[in-house]
Amino acid sequence: SQTIHQWPATLVQPVGSPLSLECTVEGTSNPNLYWYRQAAGRGLQLLFYSVGIGQISSEVPQNLSASRPQDRQFILSSKKLLLSDSGFYLCAWSIRGQPQHFGDGTRLSIL
Amino acid sequence: DQQVKQNSPSLSVQEGRISILNCDYTNSMFDYFLWYKKYPAEGPTFLISISSIKDKNEDGRFTVFLNKSAKHLSLHIVPSQPGDSAVYFCAASTTSYDKVIFGPGTSLSVIP
Repeated sequence: SQTIHQWPATLVQPVGSPLSLECTVEGTSNPNLYWYRQAAGRGLQLLFYSVGIGQISSEVPQNLSASRPQDRQFILSSKKLLLSDSGFYLCAWSIRGQPQHFGDGTRLSIL
Repeated sequence: DQQVKQNSPSLSVQEGRISILNCDYTNSMFDYFLWYKKYPAEGPTFLISISSIKDKNEDGRFTVFLNKSAKHLSLHIVPSQPGDSAVYFCAASTTSYDKVIFGPGTSLSVIP
């Protein structure tokens, strides 16, 4: 069966520090991969999605970037975090024609 | 502009009664609709979906109704149980779930 791993579960970072969140999927090949952010009291905002290695689409201009170095690995990065980057970050995967499945998320707090 | 709206931020229901969660959308090109359930500090889990060629889909205690002319869908939970207490997200897509737009969510509390 397919599983998705996302880490760390919680992260506290100072303003201006770099960020790297990692997501890996097991049990499937060539999945679509997604990064979402849920700000406090708001819905899920799609940040990036990828349909293959090295193929990244950005949905919202921001201080973040994404990379897909391997088929089942998706990384969310920032060179310098802002206070507004705080939130709950979720990685998800899907196979075409099927609903997305989410990881358990990373709670990111910027101090 | 929000393409998927859930106008009720919260809903309280007695255990055993029906819970009705509503969702409205603005993009007439949406043809797949989904409901996700989310517990605190966890990722959303897929609950039920419906395509635009149907007006009803049922899975156990959960039924989703779609009214395309009104651009409205609803999720019915019967009977409601305390374990159903969670945030429910309505979502919509134009291309077979590949890119999904989520609503802001409705927090459901089922009171024992």
